[in-house]
Parts: sequence; structure tokens; C-alpha cells
Amino acid sequence: AQSVSQHNHHVILSEAASLELGCNYSYGGTVNLFWYVQYPGQHLQLLLKYFSGDPLVKGIKGFEAEFIKSKFSFNLRKPSVQWSDTAEYFCAPLALTGGGNKLTFGTGTQLKVEL
Amino acid sequence: ETGVTQTPRHLVMGMTNKKSLKCEQHLGHNAMYWYKQSAKKPLELMFVYNFKEQTENNSVPSRFSPECPNSSHLFLHLHTLQPEDSALYLCASSQGLAGTSYEQYFGPGTRLTVT
Repeated sequence: AQSVSQHNHHVILSEAASLELGCNYSYGGTVNLFWYVQYPGQHLQLLLKYFSGDPLVKGIKGFEAEFIKSKFSFNLRKPSVQWSDTAEYFCAPLALTGGGNKLTFGTGTQLKVEL
Repeated sequence: ETGVTQTPRHLVMGMTNKKSLKCEQHLGHNAMYWYKQSAKKPLELMFVYNFKEQTENNSVPSRFSPECPNSSHLFLHLHTLQPEDSALYLCASSQGLAGTSYEQYFGPGTRLTVT
């Protein structure tokens, strides 16, 4: 069965610091990859996605993520965080299997950005 | 605006009560999902419907009973719940179940407390 690991559960950064959130998954076949974000008091929303092509994908609000197939990773990055980036971030790989696609969510990383 | 609405937003019920959660999507999607979000646990997929037909039941106890009368509406009927069922229940929809159509849009959730 597929699993996904987000190594950092809580991250605290100062404004303008760089961010990298780790995500590793276990499925060896074809995957699509998503990062979702949940701002305080708001619903889950898509931050960025990878389906094929350029492994470096850009999302909203200056976020990007790089798919490294050999490392089964899809880490999320932002060069300079803002206070408004305070939220919970979820990595979600979608395993494309013959028996039905499986979307699995990680446990989430709570990011707090301090002024 | 999310495009996926859920009612009620908060629900407190006793273990002997029967209640229903409602989800409606205004995006013209064909697939709908129920998820359970508990503290410190990954988002758990409960049910998947595609074109009103249930395509996945993720070993959910029978005290949770889904209903999908059409592609725009999804219900979760609750009866004889346990305190450990207290959680945030999220509804999501997507255009389909394959590839690029799998991008999911989430509702705000129903915060359920079982007393």
C-alpha cells in the first residue's frame, strides 16, 4: 500500500526566511503529486500539482515544488516566506494503479511565520 | 469561494442520535468524496462516488451511511456514533477519477462532536 511521509510536523520561521517542507512517498509506479494548504479557519485548497513534464512546478503565492523520481520526493519550497503563509501544508501523492487511483494525504506540516 | 458547501458547519450529537451531513458542489463535477480529519492523523478517505455510484468504501463502519442522489449532492447519514468519531468531516469533489481530472476541491467541513 502507498504511504506518504512529511518529516516536519511543526516549523517556525521568521519572515523572509526560506522554506523547504519535505515529502516522501512509497509508491514505485506512476504518480501525480499535489500540495494542499489549509489557512487558519479556511478550507483545504490546492497549492500546486505535478502531472508530467518539467519536474519543477510552480504554484500560487510563490511556492514551488520539485519532483525527484529517484528519491520518491516532492518537496515544497518558497524562497522568502510571509506572515500570511502561516498554515498547515499537506502533501498528497496520487498513485495511478490499474485497480483505481489512490490519493493519500500526509499528516501535514504546521507552519508558523513570525514577524 | 470554494464551490463546495457543507452543512451544518458544527454538529453535536449524542451516541443514540441520528443526523445527516450534507455536501453540495456547484462546479459541475462528477466525483465526490467524504474524508475524516482527526487531530494528528492523516486525512482519511471514507467514500468515493463517481456519477452517483459508489466506487470506494474504505472499510468504514456501517454507522456511517453515505448517499449520493445526484452528482451535485452527497450526504453522510450518522447513527449510533461513538465518541472517537468526533472529527472534522470534509467533502470534496473532482471532475473525474483519472489524471488531470482528479484535482479535488474541498468544502469547509463539518465539525462533529459525539457526546
